[in-house]
Formats: sequence, C-alpha cells, structure tokens
Amino acid sequence: DAKTTQPPSMDCAEGRAANLPCNHSTISGNEYVYWYRQIHSQGPQYIIHGLKNNETNEMASLIITEDRKSSTLILPHATLRDTAVYYCIVMSGGTSYGKLTFGQGTILTVHP
Amino acid sequence: DAGVTQSPTHLIKTRGQHVTLRCSPISGHKSVSWYQQVLGQGPQFIFQYYEKEERGRGNFPDRFSARQFPNYSSELNVNALLLGDSALYLCASSLSGTRQETQYFGPGTRLLVL
Repeated sequence: DAKTTQPPSMDCAEGRAANLPCNHSTISGNEYVYWYRQIHSQGPQYIIHGLKNNETNEMASLIITEDRKSSTLILPHATLRDTAVYYCIVMSGGTSYGKLTFGQGTILTVHP
Repeated sequence: DAGVTQSPTHLIKTRGQHVTLRCSPISGHKSVSWYQQVLGQGPQFIFQYYEKEERGRGNFPDRFSARQFPNYSSELNVNALLLGDSALYLCASSLSGTRQETQYFGPGTRLLVL
C-alpha cells in the first residue's frame, strides 16, 4: 500500500489560509488521495479527494502535483473550529474494494 | 438524512469476554467498513463488507469477525478480549465500497478492556 508522510503539527492564524502538505511518492496510477479530519476522537470527517486534477469544494481545495507524488490541502480561511488532526490518505485495496490507510496525520492548531 | 450510526457509544469489558458492536450505514449505502483506532494512532482497516459478503480484511486475528445483514447494517464481533483491544471502533459506509467512492464515518464505539 502506498504510504503518506505528513508533518506532525502545524499552526495557523485564524482567518488565514492553512496549507497542509502530504507526500505520497509511491502512489500508483489508480489510487486516489483522500483528506479527512478528526476532531477530539470523533469519527473522521471527509473533506475532499482527487485522482490527478485539482479539486475544490465548499470546505477546501486539493492541489495534486503533476507527478502525483505530493499534494496540498488548502483551507482558505481557517477558523478555530478547524483545529483537528488532518489525515492525508491513499485509497488502496483490491480490485473490487477500497480501504483507507491512515498515517499519523497532522495536528493543525488554529489560534486567534 | 441520518448519517452512519453506531451503538453503543461506550463499552467496558474485562479480558476474555466477548463484545458485539453495531453499525447502521447511510440510507442507500450497501457497503460497510470497520476500522480500529488505538489512542494516538490513525484508524486501521479491519474489514469491508458489501452485499453481506466480506470483500477485504486487514491484518487482524481471527478473534475479530463481522457480518452484514440484509438491511446492510453490520456487526463487529471480538472474542477473547485482550487489553490491547481497547480502542475506538469506527464504522464507515459507502455506496458499494470501491476505491473511487467516499467512505463516511460514524461517531465510533469506544471500547475499554480491563
């Protein structure tokens, strides 16, 4: 399974953009990059995912490099409620199913 | 619409006992996956079920088993509990469980083994 590498922690000022990097240099062509976050050991919350193109939704933007070996999650205007553990995940599995392989994640702290 | 629901929310058991955890997927979702999250680590994949059949299994001992019912709800069973089984058990549902689909997680069941 492809592994991901994320910085263990990051800080961000409220109202500023939070840019969370992720390295997935062993990703294969049919594996998706997913981002989830987890607040206070609640269930992980889906944020966004992509295969090769950049993606944007109401929560965030996902920028995937052309060689697909790394990506960046962008929270455009971070709020205190965005403080959480952010997981960059490669969706792997067999030919008929997908499994999320979580790493340690990045603890994002948004401060006033 | 209701999200993924899990029961119970918390559970305390002693070593050697058996436990059953339950999960109801989002309406219309036919696949359920189970994950274990021990304190300080990311969730680890245990099983995936689709249409009552097991389609994927993580690196967990045979003490862990699961099943899926005709209404697509699922149970995770753990026999002969060990202290190391203390964890947050998460259920995730998706339409059919393929790698192109998003999995949506429930709130989890926190199991403490004493």
